[in-house]
Amino acid sequence: GQQVMQIPQYQHVQEGEDFTTYCNSSTTLSNIQWYKQRPGGHPVFLIQLVKSGEVKKQKRLTFQFGEAKKNSSLHITATQTTDVGTYFCAGPSPGSQGNLIFGKGTKLSVKP
Amino acid sequence: DAGVIQSPRHEVTEMGQEVTLRCKPISGHNSLFWYRQTMMRGLELLIYFNNNVPIDDSGMPEDRFSAKMPNASFSTLKIQPSEPRDSAVYFCASPGPITDTQYFGPGTRLTVL
Repeated sequence: GQQVMQIPQYQHVQEGEDFTTYCNSSTTLSNIQWYKQRPGGHPVFLIQLVKSGEVKKQKRLTFQFGEAKKNSSLHITATQTTDVGTYFCAGPSPGSQGNLIFGKGTKLSVKP
Repeated sequence: DAGVIQSPRHEVTEMGQEVTLRCKPISGHNSLFWYRQTMMRGLELLIYFNNNVPIDDSGMPEDRFSAKMPNASFSTLKIQPSEPRDSAVYFCASPGPITDTQYFGPGTRLTVL
């Protein structure tokens, strides 16, 4: 079945350093989404990418969707302690209405 | 809109007891998703409903787990009997305003002793 893989599983950075997490799907995706879960919180939708090669920015966060629509990345420039949390990518499950396949997530910790 | 509401937020119970988790989805949507999150297995889809009908329950671990959605504004996830390995955070989610996205509830942290 469809799989969505994320690397790395954990990332520890010094505040001010950059951070990147990568997501790969075993199948072509109609769209890819990113969610952030703060410690003790719940996943919160960040963004959706739909077009091949699409790049979107939210302040210090840059999201990319690969040309083949099978991979994506999230890059954070100059991390801050508020960026701490787990970042998940997710893609629609084929043929399922609204069902998503989530990656395992990348847990980011930021040392002040 | 209050978003997705889950209750209780925390539940501690003893092995063998019945546990019922509740979810009030965002009004106006006809789908609902139940997830379980643990350190070992990450975020797992247990079951999802469309038009109050269970569409895919292949993620439900065993017969001890059951879920219902009697109407568009309420769903329950029941574990009977509960076991320590059921300890996890259980989320329900509603469809978001953008196609294919989801709004998660705050979750229920279940501890089975």
